[in-house]
Amino acid sequence: EVQLVQSGAEVKKPGESLKISCKGSGYSFPSYSIGWVRQMPGKGLEWMGIIYPDDSDTTYSPSFQGQVAISADKSISTAYLQWSSLQASDTAIYYCARRSLTLIFFDSWGQGTLVTVSS
Amino acid sequence: SYELTQPPSVSVSPGQTARITCSGDALPKQFAYWYQQRPGQAPVLLIYKDTERPSGIPERFSGSSSGTTVTLTISGVQAEDEADYYCQSADSSATYVLFGGGTKLTVL
Repeated sequence: EVQLVQSGAEVKKPGESLKISCKGSGYSFPSYSIGWVRQMPGKGLEWMGIIYPDDSDTTYSPSFQGQVAISADKSISTAYLQWSSLQASDTAIYYCARRSLTLIFFDSWGQGTLVTVSS
Repeated sequence: SYELTQPPSVSVSPGQTARITCSGDALPKQFAYWYQQRPGQAPVLLIYKDTERPSGIPERFSGSSSGTTVTLTISGVQAEDEADYYCQSADSSATYVLFGGGTKLTVL
């Protein structure tokens, strides 16, 4: 069974750094791209970017380029989403999702990580 | 920039048919996908490649495509179908993923 398990909820202050994780199991992790999706409180889904774990090739949405960093460690089947300096507007649920092998859609999702940024 | 446009809300009575549209200029070139998101849960794939249904998704969910508009149809709506629905596609170069703004389905 394909599973994506994300790290737990975080509460941070503005200006702090953060790295959240997404661990895949039940499939060949290096072979499937992992995307990250933001959902701000009461709002819709926003695609942030995607990484191919086998070679770490990464594409960012223009809206998130330079705001976050996406990485992966295929040796431990884990993808990451990282901020160097959080802002209150980063408060959201962040989902990781596995991209289909051949088409541009997400066939399996993590449970989401709630990030709260508040002074 | 490329966008996918959905109606913010759709309301239907139980047993009726709900139709949720999604419009975008690249839809004739790129497949569309639909997700259901119930409150407090992660999205779930409902439809892929415009019209295909993954295993385990009830037959009352179907997708169609015509030009720059794709449609999710829910036949015989049930109370449990009350959720947010999102269309998703890619830009014409297949570089960027895009989600529609989402449609809240209310079952009256």
